[in-house]
Amino acid sequence: QKEVEQNSGPLSVPEGAIASLNCTYSDRVSQSFFWYRQYSGKSPELIMSIYSNGDKEDGRFTAQLNKASQYVSLLIRDSQPSDSATYLCAVIRSTLGRLYFGRGTQLTVWP
Amino acid sequence: DGGITQSPKYLFRKEGQNVTLSCEQNLNHDAMYWYRQDPGQGLRLIYYSQIVNDFQKGDIAEGYSVSREKKESFPLTVTSAQKNPTAFYLCASSPPGLQAEKLFFGSGTQLSVL
Repeated sequence: QKEVEQNSGPLSVPEGAIASLNCTYSDRVSQSFFWYRQYSGKSPELIMSIYSNGDKEDGRFTAQLNKASQYVSLLIRDSQPSDSATYLCAVIRSTLGRLYFGRGTQLTVWP
Repeated sequence: DGGITQSPKYLFRKEGQNVTLSCEQNLNHDAMYWYRQDPGQGLRLIYYSQIVNDFQKGDIAEGYSVSREKKESFPLTVTSAQKNPTAFYLCASSPPGLQAEKLFFGSGTQLSVL
């Protein structure tokens, strides 16, 4: 079982819609969760971090964490074509203290 | 401007050749990392270093070597033992303390085999 699983997509949504990206993780005691955005041919950039159950909002982005279900998601409201990228979920396992990445979900927002 | 510089942007390796990817940072970060990314795949950790003159293997260290002689520099050598080296290589660093979870990435090196 992989440490971090993401639905690989691709996910395609129209401009203005809500894009929903999902991620599950295997280590039940993981404490820190991150979403990185990666444009094609570029390096990843951190867009959200979440550490406790519930929702965390930052502009059009909302991260949701459910530790009981070992599930973390990213919602992008009012999606824009500039949001088209691959979104990587990353988790820190408490025992090793380093990041594990999922394989990413490719999102396309069409005008 | 502070940041991480990777060079070269593109690199070609011949059969049996060792090649070295450069990574330099001026962020004064202690920890540095090397990741490999294959198309449609996430990032896999090759090596990481928490402090000068010390480094640890990641998940896919075979066929790679690193050194950490200076805080600013963490070069990666792809040896001839790495039979499938074609990939996008990313160097990253992280600050100390609670911010250690947040990675700052270089712009990457695309390595291809001739």
